[in-house]
Amino acid sequence: GAGVSQSPSNKVTEKGKDVELRCDPISGHTALYWYRQSLGQGLEFLIYFQGNSAPDKSGLPSDRFSAERTGGSVSTLTIQRTQQEDSAVYLCASSLGGQTDTQYFGPGTRLTVL
Amino acid sequence: QKEVEQDPGPLSVPEGAIVSLNCTYSNSAFQYFMWYRQYSRKGPELLMYTYSSGNKEDGRFTAQVDKSSKYISLFIRDSQPSDSATYLCAMSAFSGGYNKLIFGAGTRLAVHP
Repeated sequence: GAGVSQSPSNKVTEKGKDVELRCDPISGHTALYWYRQSLGQGLEFLIYFQGNSAPDKSGLPSDRFSAERTGGSVSTLTIQRTQQEDSAVYLCASSLGGQTDTQYFGPGTRLTVL
Repeated sequence: QKEVEQDPGPLSVPEGAIVSLNCTYSNSAFQYFMWYRQYSRKGPELLMYTYSSGNKEDGRFTAQVDKSSKYISLFIRDSQPSDSATYLCAMSAFSGGYNKLIFGAGTRLAVHP
């Protein structure tokens, strides 16, 4: 079956521009996560969505970052006024939720801010 | 100090070697321990999942958790060139209704023929 998909796979932008990254979770998965992976670093949690509940935004690094999930499915991560330190791979994962859920990751979007 | 510490390597071994990968952690509330494998320019994929302390074996892979020492390990027997990847440990405490994973930095492994 289809896994988690993300688009675009690569994005190059100029400092100060806004970018939108998209995640299509596995059908039926109610939980959705965004992570950031910087060069040589582990995955850094950004935000979590579960069904219709209020998202956990505790990992968003600044107010330039926001995310939404429409209709409990597709999610968009928006970075406003991008900075060079935002350059990283942004990974999305989805799961069924629950105590022992397994998170399935997409291939990521590689963002480069010039 | 990071919550999860993992030596980034790189680790280079010959084919057939036994590989040992390790992570230490500081949060005693962690109950779920995972190892993910990540190939270049791909997303991480779950390799092993362990709840609480103990060993778990799956084919050539064995995961060990020692909660008293806050130390987890992944052993790969008879390593193959196809095992060349970055291995990420991850752990979580089920709180707030979900498992927020805390990842190590990842260890890059190269298995050469």
